Formats: sequence, structure tokens, C-alpha cells
Amino acid sequence: DTAVSQTPKYLVTQMGNDKSIKCEQNLGHDTMYWYKQDSKKFLKIMFSYNNKELIINETVPNRFSPKSPDKAHLNLHINSLELGDSAVYFCASSQVYGGSYEQYFGPGTRLTVT
Amino acid sequence: GENVEQHPSTLSVQEGDSAVIKCTYSDSASNYFPWYKQELGKGPQLIIDIRSNVGEKKDQRIAVTLNKTAKHFSLHITETQPEDSAVYFCAASIRGNQFYFGTGTSLTVIP
Repeated sequence: DTAVSQTPKYLVTQMGNDKSIKCEQNLGHDTMYWYKQDSKKFLKIMFSYNNKELIINETVPNRFSPKSPDKAHLNLHINSLELGDSAVYFCASSQVYGGSYEQYFGPGTRLTVT
Repeated sequence: GENVEQHPSTLSVQEGDSAVIKCTYSDSASNYFPWYKQELGKGPQLIIDIRSNVGEKKDQRIAVTLNKTAKHFSLHITETQPEDSAVYFCAASIRGNQFYFGTGTSLTVIP
């Protein structure tokens, strides 16, 4: 069974559109994350979220918003897509409270904005 | 906030040799230091980690060392194999709440 899954794997869209990426984890973890990996392979944290707290990286534009329908899911919504949003987006999860801190990543979603 | 620096950015070694990747961090409150391996087209995969109350940890051919005083930690891969070729990332975290990643090291193991 896949521990952290994301859909879609590839997403090609035009500037100005709104899109969502879905993430699910079946590890029972309490915290989920979204990362952006640019063409130089830099991994930048965008959000971390558990049922108590959303931590937002202050450099993330407010066009990006995480939405969590339940503990196992953290979806990423992006409004008014721009060319610079093109990147690979990774979802991850970990057990923070009383846990090992080990973080597991999904396979990534390659977003291309044209 | 935390700042993690990683060196070198690229590393080529002959098969069977050792590879060492070094990272430094800035926030003395960081207490968890994982290392990830990312193969082409895949997500980062946790390969080893260390907590601040431990100075060294080993798992088969992989070892990590931590110097809290100097705020640096290193990944050591011995007897490298071609399948070790990948991008490796270090990270630092305060109690697992947020993770700050290094800039990555592209390791190539030459057969």
C-alpha cells in the first residue's frame, strides 16, 4: 500500500486558471506538509498542518491555500496560476506529537503552467 | 528562521569508494536531522536520521554524525554502488514541526 499518495502526477494548465492537487496518507500521521521543488531541486516548505495548527511559510503567495477535509488528507489549491508556479509539488506526512518525526513524501505532482 | 547549508553540490566517486556530504545549521533549537535520497522522478526517501542526543548513527553502509557544538552533521556512505547515485538532501527540524532542507548534493557513483 502506498503510504503517501498524490493526484494528479502531471498537471498542465494555462496561466490564470485555478487548480487543485490532492494528497492522502494512510500512515495515521498527525501532520501533513506541502513542499515546492524548483528546477534547481531546491525543496522549500510551503505549509505544515495538523488538526491544531497551520503554519504557513511567509514567502508563499496567498494564491496557494491548503485544505484538509480530515486528518488523512491535505489538498493544495492554487488560484490564478502564474508561469513561476511551474514546479514539482510534494506532499509529506509525519507523526509529530509523541512520534518519531520521520517524514514520508509522496511521489510528487509536476505542474506546468503555460 | 533555520538556515541549512549543504556541501558539496555535486560529488563523483568511484564505485567502492566512500562519499561524505556535510551540512551546517543555524538554529541551536533544532533537534532532529534526517537525510533523504531522491532518485529521478521520485519523491525524497528517508534513509537515515539522527536526534540531537546522539552523536553518531549507523545503518549498514550509511552513517550520520552530529556535532551539536559546531552545528554540523554529515552523511557517510561507504562501499558506494552505482545504485547510490541520486540527489541527497539533509534537513533540520525542531521537534518535527517544520523541516528546513539543504540545497542537495548530486552524487554520481562511477562503475
